Amino acid sequence: QSALTQPRSVSGSPGQSVTISCTGTSNDVGAYNYVSWYQQHPGRAPRIIIYDVNRRPSGVPDRFSGSKSGVTASLTISGLQTEDEGDYYCCSYAGDYSVVFGAGSKLTVL
Amino acid sequence: QVQLRESGPGLVKPSQTLSLNCSVSGGSLKSAGFYWAWIRQHPQKGLEWIGYIFSSGNIFYSNPSLKSRLDISVDTSKNQISLRLDSVTAADTAVYYCARELRRLDLSSAFGVWGQGTMVTVSS
Repeated sequence: QSALTQPRSVSGSPGQSVTISCTGTSNDVGAYNYVSWYQQHPGRAPRIIIYDVNRRPSGVPDRFSGSKSGVTASLTISGLQTEDEGDYYCCSYAGDYSVVFGAGSKLTVL
Repeated sequence: QVQLRESGPGLVKPSQTLSLNCSVSGGSLKSAGFYWAWIRQHPQKGLEWIGYIFSSGNIFYSNPSLKSRLDISVDTSKNQISLRLDSVTAADTAVYYCARELRRLDLSSAFGVWGQGTMVTVSS
């Protein structure tokens, strides 16, 4: 089980849009529509913002959206706000009742 | 609203056994019908899934890299989930989180509820 590949860092200005990619394999991201994304602020627990590739839990703004193509999933944050700054992790079901996370991407809002 | 709270020793010596508990409040673990997970985060690093256990305690899945050292159990009388990791090394130093799947009877890596995490340091 190898970690999913994410860019180490991304950045954008307030109001802009940013997209974070998450590349897996045909055994995880490419095989299942069970990709989730988590936002984590320093010293805090992760918070789910996307599940099932593109579904948002209640309370998550619609500025956050998810998609998938082949073995790559993406998280797009539109209308960037300063409070969006933090770390973002993708996660995928990987078969055989196992889960794999991405290494995380640090979002900086300039 | 269900809440999770991890607890543990904070410091464990190399080669010893790490034992952590996750207390569940705001709902009964026994009747929940959810999959519960342990996830850890090494210092300044990403997240690593450790394993799953079902509410009844009779179904348990583990990360293959930890399988030989890991046990996860449920104590419905105490409404808590426990983790035991044997023969720890410095590589097991991490913040340990317990989490719950978003939907009942569903195992889809959608961790909708998280505890605040507990830091464990392995050092002599």
